[in-house]
Amino acid sequence: AQSVSQHNHHVILSEAASLELGCNYSYGGTVNLFWYVQYPGQHLQLLLKYFSGDPLVKGIKGFEAEFIKSKFSFNLRKPSVQWSDTAEYFCAVKMTTDSWGKFQFGAGTQVVVTP
Amino acid sequence: DTAVSQTPKYLVTQMGNDKSIKCEQNLGHDTMYWYKQDSKKFLKIMFSYNNKELIINETVPNRFSPKSPDKAHLNLHINSLELGDSAVYFCASSPGGTSGGIQYFGAGTRLSVL
Repeated sequence: AQSVSQHNHHVILSEAASLELGCNYSYGGTVNLFWYVQYPGQHLQLLLKYFSGDPLVKGIKGFEAEFIKSKFSFNLRKPSVQWSDTAEYFCAVKMTTDSWGKFQFGAGTQVVVTP
Repeated sequence: DTAVSQTPKYLVTQMGNDKSIKCEQNLGHDTMYWYKQDSKKFLKIMFSYNNKELIINETVPNRFSPKSPDKAHLNLHINSLELGDSAVYFCASSPGGTSGGIQYFGAGTRLSVL
């Protein structure tokens, strides 16, 4: 079955530490990949996306992600986190052949950044 | 202007009641979605409409009935509410098509069934 898995459910780190969140998917075809962030009590916002081209994509707020096709992975990174990065992070995958945009979300990773 | 707006933001009700959640988008998108986010933050798609036509209908109880009067609106009606329906419900919209289709989310409706 098609699935999206995020390796960590909870991550706690200190300000200025580096962050890497893993995301793997199991779709066989060409995919579009997304990372969304949900700040406490808020809606999901797009952090970054990969459609094609350079597998290293940069998003908002200093986040970046690398698509490694051979590993079916799309890991999210930030070199130095801030307290305001405390949020839930969701990886999402959509098959390019799916005209109607059915997203499959991962289970989410809760990130807590301590001062 | 809010791109995807949902009302109400909070909904507290008794078991067995019927309630509706409304969603409107002003982005001109063709496709709209309803997601359910449970207490563990897991997001699961429920329905999707494209130009008022139902295109995704995941395994959701018949008590849930989406209605799209036009492509800018997708409402969710829930009959005979149960405790397990307590969750945050998110509406989203996207341009649709094979262009990639970033989804834009509403602020969510927190439903509590007592």
